[in-house]
Amino acid sequence: DVKVTQSSRYLVKRTGEKVFLECVQDMDHENMFWYRQDPGLGLRLIYFSYDVKMKEKGDIPEGYSVSREKKERFSLILESASTNQTSMYLCASSLWTGAVVEKLFFGSGTQLSVL
Amino acid sequence: GENVEQHPSTLSVQEGDSAVIKCTYSDSASNYFPWYKQELGKRPQLIIDIRSNVGEKKDQRIAVTLNKTAKHFSLHITETQPEDSAVYFCAAGGGADGLTFGKGTHLIIQP
Repeated sequence: DVKVTQSSRYLVKRTGEKVFLECVQDMDHENMFWYRQDPGLGLRLIYFSYDVKMKEKGDIPEGYSVSREKKERFSLILESASTNQTSMYLCASSLWTGAVVEKLFFGSGTQLSVL
Repeated sequence: GENVEQHPSTLSVQEGDSAVIKCTYSDSASNYFPWYKQELGKRPQLIIDIRSNVGEKKDQRIAVTLNKTAKHFSLHITETQPEDSAVYFCAAGGGADGLTFGKGTHLIIQP
Protein backbone atom coordinates (compact mmCIF):
# COMPACT_ATOMS: atom_id res chain seq x y z
CA ASP A 1 0.00 0.00 0.00
CA VAL A 2 1.18 3.55 -0.72
CA LYS A 3 2.73 5.29 2.23
CA VAL A 4 2.94 9.06 2.47
CA THR A 5 4.70 10.13 5.64
CA GLN A 6 4.73 13.59 7.12
CA SER A 7 7.50 14.18 9.63
CA SER A 8 5.45 15.88 12.34
CA ARG A 9 1.86 15.40 13.49
CA TYR A 10 1.82 18.58 15.59
CA LEU A 11 4.08 21.62 15.42
CA VAL A 12 4.08 24.85 17.41
CA LYS A 13 6.12 27.77 16.11
CA ARG A 14 6.50 31.45 16.83
CA THR A 15 5.67 34.31 14.48
CA GLY A 16 8.62 35.07 12.20
CA GLU A 17 10.24 31.64 12.49
CA LYS A 18 11.26 29.69 9.41
CA VAL A 19 9.30 26.43 9.31
CA PHE A 20 9.98 23.26 7.34
CA LEU A 21 7.30 20.62 6.77
CA GLU A 22 8.64 17.39 5.33
CA CYS A 23 6.84 14.75 3.29
CA VAL A 24 8.16 11.43 1.98
CA GLN A 25 6.40 8.89 -0.25
CA ASP A 26 7.55 5.36 -0.93
CA MET A 27 5.79 4.51 -4.21
CA ASP A 28 7.99 6.29 -6.75
CA HIS A 29 5.18 8.73 -7.60
CA GLU A 30 6.03 11.58 -9.94
CA ASN A 31 3.51 14.06 -8.56
CA MET A 32 3.52 15.52 -5.08
CA PHE A 33 1.27 18.17 -3.58
CA TRP A 34 0.85 20.37 -0.53
CA TYR A 35 -2.65 21.33 0.58
CA ARG A 36 -3.84 23.24 3.61
CA GLN A 37 -7.12 22.34 5.26
CA ASP A 38 -9.17 24.87 7.21
CA PRO A 39 -12.68 24.34 8.63
CA GLY A 40 -15.33 25.39 6.15
CA LEU A 41 -12.78 26.01 3.38
CA GLY A 42 -11.95 22.45 2.38
CA LEU A 43 -8.54 21.59 0.96
CA ARG A 44 -6.70 24.32 -0.91
CA LEU A 45 -3.65 23.66 -3.08
CA ILE A 46 -0.49 25.53 -2.09
CA TYR A 47 2.16 24.08 -4.41
CA PHE A 48 2.74 20.95 -6.43
CA SER A 49 5.61 19.25 -8.20
CA TYR A 50 5.56 16.85 -11.12
CA ASP A 51 9.29 16.08 -11.17
CA VAL A 52 12.49 16.54 -9.22
CA LYS A 53 13.45 20.22 -8.96
CA MET A 54 10.16 21.22 -10.64
CA LYS A 55 7.52 23.20 -8.80
CA GLU A 56 4.29 24.92 -9.70
CA LYS A 57 2.15 27.36 -7.75
CA GLY A 58 -1.27 26.25 -6.66
CA ASP A 59 -4.17 28.44 -5.62
CA ILE A 60 -2.67 29.95 -2.44
CA PRO A 61 1.17 30.03 -2.75
CA GLU A 62 1.73 33.38 -1.00
CA GLY A 63 3.97 33.06 2.04
CA TYR A 64 5.14 29.55 1.09
CA SER A 65 7.89 27.95 -0.95
CA VAL A 66 8.75 24.33 -1.70
CA SER A 67 11.73 22.14 -2.43
CA ARG A 68 11.96 18.84 -4.25
CA GLU A 69 15.58 17.66 -4.42
CA LYS A 70 14.70 13.96 -4.53
CA LYS A 71 11.74 12.21 -6.12
CA GLU A 72 10.44 10.80 -2.86
CA ARG A 73 10.67 13.98 -0.79
CA PHE A 74 8.71 17.23 -1.01
CA SER A 75 9.23 19.99 1.53
CA LEU A 76 7.01 22.95 2.32
CA ILE A 77 8.77 26.03 3.69
CA LEU A 78 7.24 28.94 5.54
CA GLU A 79 9.93 31.62 5.26
CA SER A 80 8.51 33.75 8.07
CA ALA A 81 5.58 32.10 9.81
CA SER A 82 2.53 34.20 10.56
CA THR A 83 -0.54 33.49 12.67
CA ASN A 84 -2.76 33.20 9.59
CA GLN A 85 -0.71 30.17 8.57
CA THR A 86 -2.02 28.21 11.53
CA SER A 87 -3.67 25.28 9.80
CA MET A 88 -3.64 21.56 9.01
CA TYR A 89 -1.16 20.84 6.21
CA LEU A 90 -1.67 17.75 4.07
CA CYS A 91 0.88 16.29 1.70
CA ALA A 92 -0.25 14.01 -1.13
CA SER A 93 1.29 12.07 -3.98
CA SER A 94 0.02 10.49 -7.17
CA LEU A 95 1.20 8.54 -10.14
CA TRP A 96 1.40 10.38 -13.43
CA THR A 97 0.61 8.22 -16.46
CA GLY A 98 1.18 11.02 -18.93
CA ALA A 99 -2.38 11.72 -19.94
CA VAL A 100 -4.68 11.05 -17.07
CA VAL A 101 -4.65 12.31 -13.52
CA GLU A 102 -4.56 9.51 -10.96
CA LYS A 103 -5.87 9.34 -7.42
CA LEU A 104 -4.14 11.18 -4.61
CA PHE A 105 -2.75 9.43 -1.56
CA PHE A 106 -2.59 11.65 1.49
CA GLY A 107 -0.28 11.81 4.47
CA SER A 108 -1.68 12.03 8.01
CA GLY A 109 -1.27 15.78 8.11
CA THR A 110 0.68 18.26 10.22
CA GLN A 111 -1.30 20.55 12.51
CA LEU A 112 0.75 23.74 12.64
CA SER A 113 0.09 26.40 15.26
CA VAL A 114 1.84 29.74 14.89
CA LEU A 115 1.80 31.80 18.08
CA GLY B 1 -8.74 27.71 -12.88
CA GLU B 2 -11.19 25.11 -11.69
CA ASN B 3 -13.89 25.98 -9.16
CA VAL B 4 -15.83 23.29 -7.30
CA GLU B 5 -19.01 24.00 -5.34
CA GLN B 6 -20.31 21.38 -2.90
CA HIS B 7 -23.71 21.15 -1.19
CA PRO B 8 -24.91 20.78 1.46
CA SER B 9 -22.26 21.72 4.02
CA THR B 10 -24.01 19.58 6.64
CA LEU B 11 -26.35 16.64 6.06
CA SER B 12 -28.14 14.74 8.81
CA VAL B 13 -29.97 11.51 7.92
CA GLN B 14 -31.57 8.67 9.85
CA GLU B 15 -29.63 5.43 9.93
CA GLY B 16 -30.79 3.26 7.04
CA ASP B 17 -31.86 6.21 4.87
CA SER B 18 -30.04 7.43 1.78
CA ALA B 19 -27.71 10.44 1.57
CA VAL B 20 -26.93 12.52 -1.51
CA ILE B 21 -24.15 15.09 -1.82
CA LYS B 22 -23.89 17.28 -4.91
CA CYS B 23 -21.01 19.09 -6.57
CA THR B 24 -20.66 21.38 -9.56
CA TYR B 25 -17.47 22.26 -11.40
CA SER B 26 -16.54 25.04 -13.79
CA ASP B 27 -13.75 23.77 -16.05
CA SER B 28 -15.01 21.65 -18.95
CA ALA B 29 -11.46 20.24 -19.32
CA SER B 30 -11.75 18.40 -15.99
CA ASN B 31 -12.04 14.67 -16.59
CA TYR B 32 -11.55 13.06 -13.20
CA PHE B 33 -13.98 13.31 -10.27
CA PRO B 34 -13.06 11.54 -7.02
CA TRP B 35 -14.79 11.51 -3.65
CA TYR B 36 -12.82 11.41 -0.42
CA LYS B 37 -14.02 10.51 3.06
CA GLN B 38 -12.29 12.00 6.08
CA GLU B 39 -13.05 10.65 9.53
CA LEU B 40 -12.25 12.80 12.54
CA GLY B 41 -8.50 13.14 13.02
CA LYS B 42 -7.65 11.01 10.01
CA ARG B 43 -6.37 11.56 6.49
CA PRO B 44 -8.77 11.82 3.51
CA GLN B 45 -9.29 8.44 1.88
CA LEU B 46 -10.56 7.85 -1.64
CA ILE B 47 -13.91 6.05 -1.59
CA ILE B 48 -14.97 6.20 -5.23
CA ASP B 49 -14.01 8.03 -8.41
CA ILE B 50 -15.36 8.48 -11.90
CA ARG B 51 -13.87 9.62 -15.18
CA SER B 52 -15.57 11.75 -17.79
CA ASN B 53 -16.19 8.88 -20.21
CA VAL B 54 -18.52 7.20 -17.68
CA GLY B 55 -21.91 8.43 -16.46
CA GLU B 56 -22.30 6.31 -13.34
CA LYS B 57 -20.23 4.05 -11.12
CA LYS B 58 -21.29 1.90 -8.21
CA ASP B 59 -19.44 0.16 -5.39
CA GLN B 60 -21.73 -1.66 -2.95
CA ARG B 61 -23.69 1.06 -1.06
CA ILE B 62 -21.89 3.94 -2.76
CA ALA B 63 -22.53 5.34 -6.22
CA VAL B 64 -21.39 8.40 -8.15
CA THR B 65 -23.18 9.97 -11.11
CA LEU B 66 -21.73 12.49 -13.55
CA ASN B 67 -23.53 14.87 -15.87
CA LYS B 68 -20.86 16.42 -18.09
CA THR B 69 -23.28 18.70 -19.92
CA ALA B 70 -24.48 20.29 -16.71
CA LYS B 71 -21.03 20.02 -15.07
CA HIS B 72 -22.26 18.36 -11.94
CA PHE B 73 -21.66 15.08 -10.14
CA SER B 74 -23.19 13.50 -7.08
CA LEU B 75 -22.38 10.95 -4.38
CA HIS B 76 -25.15 8.60 -3.30
CA ILE B 77 -24.91 6.49 -0.15
CA THR B 78 -27.71 3.99 0.45
CA GLU B 79 -28.65 2.19 3.67
CA THR B 80 -26.51 4.55 5.74
CA GLN B 81 -24.70 3.18 8.78
CA PRO B 82 -23.08 4.89 11.79
CA GLU B 83 -19.62 4.36 10.27
CA ASP B 84 -20.63 6.54 7.33
CA SER B 85 -20.47 9.60 9.62
CA ALA B 86 -17.56 11.70 8.34
CA VAL B 87 -16.69 14.70 6.19
CA TYR B 88 -16.94 14.00 2.47
CA PHE B 89 -15.05 15.99 -0.16
CA CYS B 90 -15.66 16.03 -3.88
CA ALA B 91 -12.90 17.07 -6.26
CA ALA B 92 -12.33 17.72 -9.93
CA GLY B 93 -9.19 17.72 -12.06
CA GLY B 94 -7.81 17.07 -15.50
CA GLY B 95 -4.05 17.05 -15.58
CA ALA B 96 -0.85 16.85 -13.58
CA ASP B 97 -1.73 19.90 -11.50
CA GLY B 98 -3.71 18.04 -8.90
CA LEU B 99 -7.31 18.32 -7.85
CA THR B 100 -9.56 21.19 -6.82
CA PHE B 101 -11.67 20.23 -3.83
CA GLY B 102 -15.09 21.29 -2.66
CA LYS B 103 -15.47 22.70 0.84
CA GLY B 104 -16.77 19.44 2.26
CA THR B 105 -20.02 17.97 3.61
CA HIS B 106 -20.33 16.87 7.20
CA LEU B 107 -22.54 13.78 7.10
CA ILE B 108 -24.22 12.88 10.38
CA ILE B 109 -26.00 9.54 10.73
CA GLN B 110 -28.71 9.71 13.41
CA PRO B 111 -29.41 6.44 15.24
